[in-house]
Amino acid sequence: GAVVSQHPSRVICKSGTSVKIECRSLDFQATTMFWYRQFPKQSLMLMATSNEGSKATYEQGVEKDKFLINHASLTLSTLTVTSAHPEDSSFYICSASEGQTNEQFFGPGTRLTVL
Amino acid sequence: QKEVEQNSGPLSVPEGAIASLNCTYSDRGSQSFFWYRQYSGKSPELIMSIYSNGDKEDGRFTAQLNKASQYVSLLIRDSQPSDSATYLCAVTLGGADGLTFGKGTHLIIQP
Repeated sequence: GAVVSQHPSRVICKSGTSVKIECRSLDFQATTMFWYRQFPKQSLMLMATSNEGSKATYEQGVEKDKFLINHASLTLSTLTVTSAHPEDSSFYICSASEGQTNEQFFGPGTRLTVL
Repeated sequence: QKEVEQNSGPLSVPEGAIASLNCTYSDRGSQSFFWYRQYSGKSPELIMSIYSNGDKEDGRFTAQLNKASQYVSLLIRDSQPSDSATYLCAVTLGGADGLTFGKGTHLIIQP
């Protein structure tokens, strides 16, 4: 149980374009999903917390107009990187919480490369 | 500011021995504590969770929590080469709070 999928696994795009990443909880309903970013040789940094049916909460320093998050259902959250730049190149990972135990289960991640 | 500290390593342990990983955290309000394993290029995999002081055992893994000392540890018994990975300590205030991760300890199990 507690399987989280993410799509796409890898994406290469040109500078200035937008990229959408999907995160799905496959076998449970997740009222809360989280988006993290991991640069090479560094740990995961929380970007935002996504709650179904409400606006996402962004961490300090994360631009909400650049990283658009939509949590339309209890099993799907999307992250759109708008007007991507090379410095946005990173490993983006979502997680979902079952709620009762606060355990978070991670998707396989999306490696974004902006040329 | 919430901080989680880990020795980055690498920590080299012979196969079959006990690997000991340590973590300290700054926020005394932290309620939930986790150990994740991350292989290179992959996303983290949950190994252990612990919520109260003391030890929690699951197979070859034992997590230890000491809230007074703000200290969490992970012991891996009978270490296997497949245990070689980066181990991330993560803490949260609980509820709908996101995880604060340490930078991870790179563990190498030598055959």
